[in-house]
Amino acid sequence: QKEVEQDPGPLSVPEGAIVSLNCTYSNSAFQYFMWYRQYSRKGPELLMYTYSSGNKEDGRFTAQVDKSSKYISLFIRDSQPSDSATYLCAMKRSSAGNMLTFGGGTRLMVKP
Amino acid sequence: EAGVVQSPRYKIIEKKQPVAFWCNPISGHNTLYWYRQNLGQGPELLIRYENEEAVDDSQLPKDRFSAERLKGVDSTLKIQPAELGDSAVYLCASSLAGDETQYFGPGTRLLVL
Repeated sequence: QKEVEQDPGPLSVPEGAIVSLNCTYSNSAFQYFMWYRQYSRKGPELLMYTYSSGNKEDGRFTAQVDKSSKYISLFIRDSQPSDSATYLCAMKRSSAGNMLTFGGGTRLMVKP
Repeated sequence: EAGVVQSPRYKIIEKKQPVAFWCNPISGHNTLYWYRQNLGQGPELLIRYENEEAVDDSQLPKDRFSAERLKGVDSTLKIQPAELGDSAVYLCASSLAGDETQYFGPGTRLLVL
């Protein structure tokens, strides 16, 4: 079993919909949680970064971390066709320097 | 500001041939990472450099993979000899000391025939 699990999708939604992307993990030592967006044939780019449990909002994006359930989410409000990409969750232990463990990614398609 | 630069962008080779990838990190970033991303999967760390020193290379298959970061700036990742299973995207990333944000390059897409 992988340390970080993510539904590969694809997830197809109409423009303007609220999108919910999720990851589960097994290692309770993870303290830092991130969401990356990766467009086709590009490298991942950091979208959201949170430490420990709680919510963080940035524009149309909200990241949630529930450490008790080992579950993290990314919500996208008013989704746009430009949001179509693969979304990767990543996490790390506080003692592991900058070594990130990634999920497999969820492919999102927002249709006009 | 220029991002992380990688070359070549694409490489097709036959198995058992050698191949090398090059990465130029963002100016001033002392930490450099090489990741491998298989199709439909997330990136997996191969090696991390702090300046010239490889501080985490536990996932690097050392029988065929090698890496270097001379002068703590550019880095090269080499595979010799390549195997069919090495077909993947090789990503380079860099970050500033103490900064959690890793900036990724576009990757080198390798196909081994």
